[in-house]
Amino acid sequence: GQQLNQSPQSMFIQEGEDVSMNCTSSSIFNTWLWYKQDPGEGPVLLIALYKAGELTSNGRLTAQFGITRKDSFLNISASIPSDVGIYFCAGPLPDSGYALNFGKGTSLLVTP
Amino acid sequence: DGGITQSPKYLFRKEGQNVTLSCEQNLNHDAMYWYRQDPGQGLRLIYYSQIVNDFQKGDIAEGYSVSREKKESFPLTVTSAQKNPTAFYLCASSMIGTRLAFFGQGTRLTVV
Repeated sequence: GQQLNQSPQSMFIQEGEDVSMNCTSSSIFNTWLWYKQDPGEGPVLLIALYKAGELTSNGRLTAQFGITRKDSFLNISASIPSDVGIYFCAGPLPDSGYALNFGKGTSLLVTP
Repeated sequence: DGGITQSPKYLFRKEGQNVTLSCEQNLNHDAMYWYRQDPGQGLRLIYYSQIVNDFQKGDIAEGYSVSREKKESFPLTVTSAQKNPTAFYLCASSMIGTRLAFFGQGTRLTVV
């Protein structure tokens, strides 16, 4: 089946550092989404991407739709403690209406 | 406020018992979804529904059942046939034709 490979699996950084994570797919996507999940809560949509090469920002977060259409990147600048959580990439799940296929997530820990 | 409400937040059941998880949305979304999340894993699709009185199996539907009698409601029943039911269950909804899914706060089911 279609796989989404998300890396790194976890990151442990100091407050103020920049963060980069990425996601690759085994097939071409027409949509990439990035979500954040706080412990014990549901994921919250951060950014949606629809075109190859597209670069979209949401505050300190910037995501890019890779030009190969098989990858996407999320950057967080000047991290703060409330950035702690799990970040998921998501793309279309084949033969499932408009349901999503999720990566396994990048767990981010930020120390003051 | 518009949103998705899952209840209860925590649920404990004995092995062999069926249990029903509630999901209600007031976003006027046509499509609704159920995902399962296990520790360190991404979200996996159980069932989805794009219209009232119609639903489709996702990747891991075995041992689960759903109904969609009202647009606002999409309850999930975890049956005794589900071999490993302990997990975090997430309900989501989206406007038809989009992949912008919005999630509830989840139900943590523990079977003992």
